[in-house]
Amino acid sequence: QVQLKESGPGLVQPSQTLSLTCTVSGFSLTSNSVSWVRQPPGKGLEWMGAIWSGGSTDYNSALKSRLSISRDTSKSQVFLKMNSLQTEDTAIYFCTRGLGAGWGQGTLVTVSS
Amino acid sequence: DIQMTQSPSSMSVSLGDTVTITCRASQDVGIYVNWFQQKPGKSPRRMIYRATNLADGVPSRFSGSRSGSDYSLTISSLESEDVADYHCLQYDEYPYTFGAGTKLELK
Repeated sequence: QVQLKESGPGLVQPSQTLSLTCTVSGFSLTSNSVSWVRQPPGKGLEWMGAIWSGGSTDYNSALKSRLSISRDTSKSQVFLKMNSLQTEDTAIYFCTRGLGAGWGQGTLVTVSS
Repeated sequence: DIQMTQSPSSMSVSLGDTVTITCRASQDVGIYVNWFQQKPGKSPRRMIYRATNLADGVPSRFSGSRSGSDYSLTISSLESEDVADYHCLQYDEYPYTFGAGTKLELK
């Protein structure tokens, strides 16, 4: 069945770079897109960006200057990198197949010194 | 950016109620609206896609509709397992945007 799992550091210092990995199974990255969505504690959801089946990417303009999404199809992994983190980037980060057809469990990232 | 104005922000409900949650899009998004259910501490679950289509495994008491720029999620005969947060998403135009969410609480 379709599975996604996020992994990465739970704590990042302000101004540093966040690197997350989404490892998928049960579907092919060359036939499906993967989006990243985040949710600050107690708040709503924010679409961050996506990598499409052909490998192209689109980003939320509010994050575009700081965000990069890439993938390794041989490892069934999608990567998120976001630089210049601030406290307001503290959130649960989810990867999702397509536009929500399957979700990872999410990973809490706290930005704090 | 397209704004998805979701209402109400919270709702006190009883088992057996019919519940309707609405998102109003600030500009035309066609059929490109999904609805998600999210329970505390859990990932969202897609309930409706392309405004009116029931996602796999979702009970038939859930339905989605569209009237102009208003998109609605209706739960008929609410069950206890339906008490959750609900979010709409438009994916017609970048950046894709979510509504602010609706929290259902039992009376």
